[in-house]
Amino acid sequence: QLQLQESGPGLVKPSETLSLICTVSGDSIGRSTYYWGWIRQSPGKGLAWIGNIYYAGSAYYNPSLKSRITMSVDTSKNQFSLRLSSVTAADSGIYYCARQTYGYYHWGQGTLVTVSS
Amino acid sequence: QSVLTQPPSVSGAPGQRVTISCTGSSSNIGAGYDVHWYQQLPGRAPKLLIFANNNRPSGVPDRFSGSKSDTSASLAISGLQAEDEADYYCQSYDNSLGGSVFGGGTKLTVL
Repeated sequence: QLQLQESGPGLVKPSETLSLICTVSGDSIGRSTYYWGWIRQSPGKGLAWIGNIYYAGSAYYNPSLKSRITMSVDTSKNQFSLRLSSVTAADSGIYYCARQTYGYYHWGQGTLVTVSS
Repeated sequence: QSVLTQPPSVSGAPGQRVTISCTGSSSNIGAGYDVHWYQQLPGRAPKLLIFANNNRPSGVPDRFSGSKSDTSASLAISGLQAEDEADYYCQSYDNSLGGSVFGGGTKLTVL
């Protein structure tokens, strides 16, 4: 059974870089042909797509965040990651990792990130 | 402001049927891209409810159905139950943005 688990610091200072990892179990990122994505949800708000990455490394980012995002895959650890630079309070929220097939079928439980000094 | 427009809220009594609309444009739904629907219960991760316009993943009751026409899509829930009270989101692909887009979400209240 596929499971995804987000991890990373829950508190990030303004202007610093937010770094999150999604650990996948029950499937091998390197053998699958799916896209792996990040979605966030600001407090009390809706879902917002951050970006997708393919196991081979090609990535697609939300244009509004593109200048600040880096996504990568580590097939040896069966993980993919998100780095978001120059964060502000507007980047606070719950960050979800997910696997995309037709839609996002499998989701992690989400991790809360607060941007505050 | 979301690329896909949903009503902020809908409501219905137990047993009734409700629909939630998702209005897009020629660069997303109108371009032929699939629409997916998610249910998010309070404090939980979203759950895929309908994929590729009108398909239910295994385990989703047939009370939930989806449709798509021109630049919009709809989620219908029949035989409303108390446990259907949740937020619902539509999602598609937008070729002008080059990525996925979500609707703003609709809060369903079961009266």
